[in-house]
Amino acid sequence: NAGVTQTPKFQVLKTGQSMTLQCAQDMNHNSMYWYRQDPGMGLRLIYYSASEGTTDKGEVPNGYNVSRLNKREFSLRLESAAPSQTSVYFCASSASRGTSNQPQHFGDGTRLSIL
Amino acid sequence: QKEVEQNSGPLSVPEGAIASLNCTYSDRGSQSFFWYRQYSGKSPELIMSIYSNGDKEDGRFTAQLNKASQYVSLLIRDSQPSDSATYLCAVPEMDSSYKLIFGSGTRLLVRP
Repeated sequence: NAGVTQTPKFQVLKTGQSMTLQCAQDMNHNSMYWYRQDPGMGLRLIYYSASEGTTDKGEVPNGYNVSRLNKREFSLRLESAAPSQTSVYFCASSASRGTSNQPQHFGDGTRLSIL
Repeated sequence: QKEVEQNSGPLSVPEGAIASLNCTYSDRGSQSFFWYRQYSGKSPELIMSIYSNGDKEDGRFTAQLNKASQYVSLLIRDSQPSDSATYLCAVPEMDSSYKLIFGSGTRLLVRP
């Protein structure tokens, strides 16, 4: 009953360091998403993958890259971390196929602090 | 212009009361609507989906959709302190079958 699994749950980085956030889903969903949520603010879409083999920019893609490794896994990479990227990162997945929107299901999040 | 609007709150209700949370959206073509609950420090959790006009009930929760007026509501009956959370409304992004637009959420406080 795992759903969407994110690793790590917490991470502290220094400015300029790089890291990859991992996300895997076991619901056979086609679409996957990365969001960030800053204190007191709503969810902002960073990147999404409508299906295996495709990725597209969301609202706030600068400073990030993504890889849809296979149908299950969607990773988010920070190449050179900046303090402005301190946030909580959520991965989500949905069964959306392009004909109608389906709800998204979220992982537990990664709390990332950049010093 | 934001596509999904919610009152940020906090909405404070006494235990046992009905909590009414509202959401307005701008895209008349939207067909799917979702309510999420997010406890402090946790991830959003889907609690209701509604696709057609009218009411949909699930336990103590009722979602109400009025496409003509472009609003969707969530009613929580017999509110409990454990219902205290932020409730997010989500609506499909215009011309997208994949992306949802999330409101900023309404914070609900249920007083014992």
